[in-house]
Amino acid sequence: KAGVTQTPRYLIKTRGQQVTLSCSPISGHRSVSWYQQTPGQGLQFLFEYFSETQRNKGNFPGRFSGRQFSNSRSEMNVSTLELGDSALYLCASSEGGYTDTQYFGPGTRLTVL
Amino acid sequence: AQTVTQSQPEMSVQEAETVTLSCTYDTSENNYYLFWYKQPPSRQMILVIRQEAYKQQNATENRFSVNFQKAAKSFSLKISDSQLGDTAMYFCAFMKPAYAGNMLTFGGGTRLMVKP
Repeated sequence: KAGVTQTPRYLIKTRGQQVTLSCSPISGHRSVSWYQQTPGQGLQFLFEYFSETQRNKGNFPGRFSGRQFSNSRSEMNVSTLELGDSALYLCASSEGGYTDTQYFGPGTRLTVL
Repeated sequence: AQTVTQSQPEMSVQEAETVTLSCTYDTSENNYYLFWYKQPPSRQMILVIRQEAYKQQNATENRFSVNFQKAAKSFSLKISDSQLGDTAMYFCAFMKPAYAGNMLTFGGGTRLMVKP
């Protein structure tokens, strides 16, 4: 099976802009989770989608949002970008059960200037 | 809330030797799962090993094994016969299964350098 894919791999934006990141899970996986990785804060959970519904949410401002489509692909949107949003954004997929292992994509490196 | 602590920011080991990475966690839950993930310079997060808290037997995957001490809330990773390709950041992670969805709580990571 193909692994988790994320597009684009790299992005450069300026403050105030918005950005959309995409994640395609492993075939058959119905859950997609998003994490932000920064040198200062480490790896932090953003949100999880399962069957097109947000099932869990981390402690991030409302500028961070997401959605999931019927084919389980997910998008994450960040509006009004701030310098502190510069990070590696990782997407992970799982089959969707409560005990399932999450498998990660290669990440999208976002730089905000 | 759960917390995960990795007390060794950096470690190094000679090729072919054995190294142990430490991880402790804090939780009031009885049923949970623990993971070690590896993140090489390519940044792709790769699953190394998974441990179910209800299992007393320590998980093993080829050269990788864990020492799971539930009472002490300790979950260390032992890498035997270290190889250059093991050079990476290693993250310990905790997951509590919940109807509200499963999320991973990560430690701060240990940077492992395998030297030739």
